[in-house]
Amino acid sequence: DTQMTQSPSSLSASVGDRVTITCRASQSITNYLSWYQQKPGKAPKLLIYAASSLQSGVPSRFSGSGSGTDFTLTISSLQPEDFATYYCQQSYSTPPGFTFGPGTKVDIK
Amino acid sequence: QVQLQESGPGLVKPSQTLSLTCTVSGGSITSTSYYWSWIRQPAGKGLEWIGRIYSGGSPNYNPSLKSRVTISLDTSQNQFSLKVTSVTVADTAVYYCARSPRWDTALNGVRFDYWGQGTLITVSS
Repeated sequence: DTQMTQSPSSLSASVGDRVTITCRASQSITNYLSWYQQKPGKAPKLLIYAASSLQSGVPSRFSGSGSGTDFTLTISSLQPEDFATYYCQQSYSTPPGFTFGPGTKVDIK
Repeated sequence: QVQLQESGPGLVKPSQTLSLTCTVSGGSITSTSYYWSWIRQPAGKGLEWIGRIYSGGSPNYNPSLKSRVTISLDTSQNQFSLKVTSVTVADTAVYYCARSPRWDTALNGVRFDYWGQGTLITVSS
């Protein structure tokens, strides 16, 4: 099983701040890493796939990087609508056993 | 634009079988271009992938749930379904259905690009 960890588990930030969230896999997952944003009571929304590809319609202030075991999601200038929980997800495992990270909650400072 | 909508009983008794349906609109589940998955999330906790299916293929299941889970397609209704047998309180969660593209998985991995709104299933006597 490939285990995913995220840090920090939560953070407080202000509008306009640059925010970075880290995701680490227990073994190499090459670039098979996606990022999701989830707001309370809503389904997750795909932001980034293949570690660094921006999903259509997602603002360019979101970016992803990394490969192998270490990945980051960066929000270049935090907006009020970005306060949410962010999850990473790997899809390298075979047989398929896609796993999500535990999440990082971003709230208002 | 594709839309997914879950439907289910809301409340299930322990030891019984949970049955959920996901209705897809704006696209056909017979397309071989997509996988159709179920994902769940207990209250206040993280996301757990349950399994997936695609038209013409065999389903894949999370090894931790494989013995209790069945996913199937109903092409006449453009729906796919989930059955979980012998449920316990640990199966209480919001259940989501989701779509993932198949054509570029070798390059980009598997991502879930469209989700249903989710349906809360409570296991309680």
